[in-house]
Amino acid sequence: SQTIHQWPATLVQPVGSPLSLECTVEGTSNPNLYWYRQAAGRGLQLLFYSVGIGQISSEVPQNLSASRPQDRQFILSSKKLLLSDSGFYLCAWTPGLSTDTQYFGPGTRLTVL
Amino acid sequence: QQPVQSPQAVILREGEDAVINCSSSKALYSVHWYRQKHGEAPVFLMILLKGGEQKGHEKISASFNEKKQQSSLYLTASQLSYSGTYFCGTEIGSARQLTFGSGTQLTVLP
Repeated sequence: SQTIHQWPATLVQPVGSPLSLECTVEGTSNPNLYWYRQAAGRGLQLLFYSVGIGQISSEVPQNLSASRPQDRQFILSSKKLLLSDSGFYLCAWTPGLSTDTQYFGPGTRLTVL
Repeated sequence: QQPVQSPQAVILREGEDAVINCSSSKALYSVHWYRQKHGEAPVFLMILLKGGEQKGHEKISASFNEKKQQSSLYLTASQLSYSGTYFCGTEIGSARQLTFGSGTQLTVLP
């Protein structure tokens, strides 16, 4: 069966510090991968999605970037965090078909102070 | 374009029914429904494809009116476990991307 992992689960970082969040999927190959951000009490905002290694599409211009160095690994990064980067970061995957369910990882709660 | 969900919040007593609506300004390829408990990741409920489909799972069902570009989620005889925030995610033109509404907070009281 397929599983999706995210780490860390919780992170507190000062403004201006770098960020690296990791997401890995097990039990499948060539998944579509997604990064979402959810501000407190708000909906899900799509940040990046990837249909293959090295293929990243950005939905929102910001100080975040994403990379997919391996088939089942998706990384979200920042060189300098802003206060507005605080939120709940969710990684999701689908088998590749547009009508497939998106399965979400457990999320990373990021607080920027 | 973000879909519009209504109502923003609803409070029910156990056993009562609720309807959550999701409307889009663009033609939809599919609609996905999720429920999220506080502090947890969203959990998939169901997908509806264009064609006026209706789906159901136990006491939760949904409809998709392609012509009106809207979907509704029906919760009947609500249980305490139904509490959470419900999100619809809409897909336009098989783009492999979902745009989520701002959510409907559902609270079921005993």
